[in-house]
Amino acid sequence: DVKVTQSSRYLVKRTGEKVFLECVQDMDHENMFWYRQDPGLGLRLIYFSYDVKMKEKGDIPEGYSVSREKKERFSLILESASTNQTSMYLCASTPGTGTNYGYTFGSGTRLTVV
Amino acid sequence: GQQVMQIPQYQHVQEGEDFTTYCNSSTTLSNIQWYKQRPGGHPVFLIQLVKSGEVKKQKRLTFQFGEAKKNSSLHITATQTTDVGTYFCAGSSNDYKLSFGAGTTVTVRA
Repeated sequence: DVKVTQSSRYLVKRTGEKVFLECVQDMDHENMFWYRQDPGLGLRLIYFSYDVKMKEKGDIPEGYSVSREKKERFSLILESASTNQTSMYLCASTPGTGTNYGYTFGSGTRLTVV
Repeated sequence: GQQVMQIPQYQHVQEGEDFTTYCNSSTTLSNIQWYKQRPGGHPVFLIQLVKSGEVKKQKRLTFQFGEAKKNSSLHITATQTTDVGTYFCAGSSNDYKLSFGAGTTVTVRA
């Protein structure tokens, strides 16, 4: 089975801090995604990547950036954390281009910004 | 942009009863996927529908894609406590990225 691993299950950060969320997948998947999940809003796409060093903005990229230096690793960066970025962050991957594959999600990182 | 609306937001079901959750899109979809998230867990892929009018079954779960490919439904028969969780639909209109609905959170009364 594909495994998507997120480095932290819970994080507490202060306003203004730079925050790194790490995600690693072990099945050579091409595509990786970062979502945030908030009650009543479902999953909203922040950024995604089709290949190493490639990135595309999702629906809510403001306040975030990403890095994909290696195929298996996709990092989400909060340049200056704010309280409205308190959320559950989910990383996902799929093997090919397009949406014809089910997403495999990591266990999530619950980030609290105080 | 593309929006996927899901109703109801909450579903309280007596064990043994049936229920249905619905997913509607403002645009025609190329495919639709369904996911289940158990309490405290992460979304897990259940199924994908691609063809107009397609119906697929997984044990007590029946998934349907509308004829116009703008809506979908998930019907669960004889609900069990193991069905507890949030069910998300996710659709794509451009084979490019998925848009997720807000989910239907299901609780079961034993």
